[in-house]
This record gives sequence, C-alpha cells and structure tokens, in this order.
Amino acid sequence: DIQMTQSPSTLSASVGDRVTITCRASQSFTSWLAWYQQKPGKAPKLLIYRASSLESGVPSRFSGSGSGTEFTLTISSLQPEDFATYYCQQYNNYPWTFGQGTKVEIK
Amino acid sequence: EVQLLESGGGLVQPGGSLTLSCAASGFTFSGDGMSWVRQAPRKGLEWVSGITGSGGSTYYADSVKGRFTISRDNSKNTLYLQMSSLRAEDTAIYYCAKYLGPHHVFDYWGQGTLVTVSS
Repeated sequence: DIQMTQSPSTLSASVGDRVTITCRASQSFTSWLAWYQQKPGKAPKLLIYRASSLESGVPSRFSGSGSGTEFTLTISSLQPEDFATYYCQQYNNYPWTFGQGTKVEIK
Repeated sequence: EVQLLESGGGLVQPGGSLTLSCAASGFTFSGDGMSWVRQAPRKGLEWVSGITGSGGSTYYADSVKGRFTISRDNSKNTLYLQMSSLRAEDTAIYYCAKYLGPHHVFDYWGQGTLVTVSS
C-alpha cells in the first residue's frame, strides 16, 4: 500500500497568510493525487485532483503542485472560511489511501 | 443537483452484521463508480470499498476484505455495503461517495451514517 504522510499535522495561521501543506508518498507516482477540505461535522469537499486541477467552484486561492513523492497544497491568502482540516489522497494504486490530515487553526 | 443519502447505521454488537444503503439522485447513477469511505471518531479518512458503474468490478481495503461486500442496484439508484463479523475498530461514520468521472476521487459525498460496534 502507498502510505501518505502530511506535514505539518497542525498549522496556526492568520487571515491573509500564505499557507502550504505537504503530502509525501511512500512510493513515487505521477499525478494521481487529490486534496480535500473537511469542516467539523461535515463531509469532505474535493478541492484539487490530478495534483493541480482545481475542482469546479473552488476558489482560485487554492492550488496544488508536485509529482513523484512530494505534493503540496497552497492557499495563497487564507480566508476565515478556510480554517479546517485538509487531507491528501492518492489514487495511483488500490487501496486508495489518505494522509492523516492537517488542521489549519486560527493564530 | 447531486444527492447521496446514506441510511442503515446504528449500534451493533461485535460479531454482528449491518447493511448500509446510499440512495443517489441528480446524476446518471449507472455511469459512475462509487465508494464507501469511513472516518472513526476524531480520526482521519479511510477508503473502505469501491465499485464500478456497472457493478462488474469491486475493490476492498485489506481491513474489510472478506467481511464487507459492496454492491449496487442501478435500477434503484442505490449503493449498498453489507458488513459482517463487525469489530470495535469498524466503529465510524460511513460516507458513500461518487467518483469524478474517470478519476478515482470523490466529488460528491453523502452526509454519512454512524456505525457503532459495541456490546
């Protein structure tokens, strides 16, 4: 199985900050990686797929990049509604696996 | 509007069985693969099982292989997860989720149904 490790586990930031979350894979693959946002008590929401493709309706302040074993999610200017937990997911090999999550907190 | 509505969760004893359902609407159900993803209390996301649009192929996480069965009834626009030999570690919110076309990522999710395995 491909293990996905996110860093940091928790991130404290302020509105307007540029935020970067990293996801590292235990095996190399090209671009079959997605990012989700989850708020408490809600289902996850797809933000990015194929490493850098923005899902329809997602604000352009979200962007993704990377390939191989290192992928990043960047929020260019953090907004109040962005405080949430973020997960990466690989879909290169079954079983699909998620990172452990990164909680973005208010500083 | 795409809607996914899970049902069937509840309290079950260890070793017991439960069947979850997910009623889908707002899209061509038979055209999209579907999955079940679970989230244990205060934990992260875990993919459980997936099925192709036709139902002809199914996939499972090792943690549930041999105990859970995914299926679908395209005439009823409904996805199922039959769970047996349940363990305490199966306690979680179970979400059904739709694949984004050919991409095995989840663009729509249900609200989730809670399964609690406890004596």
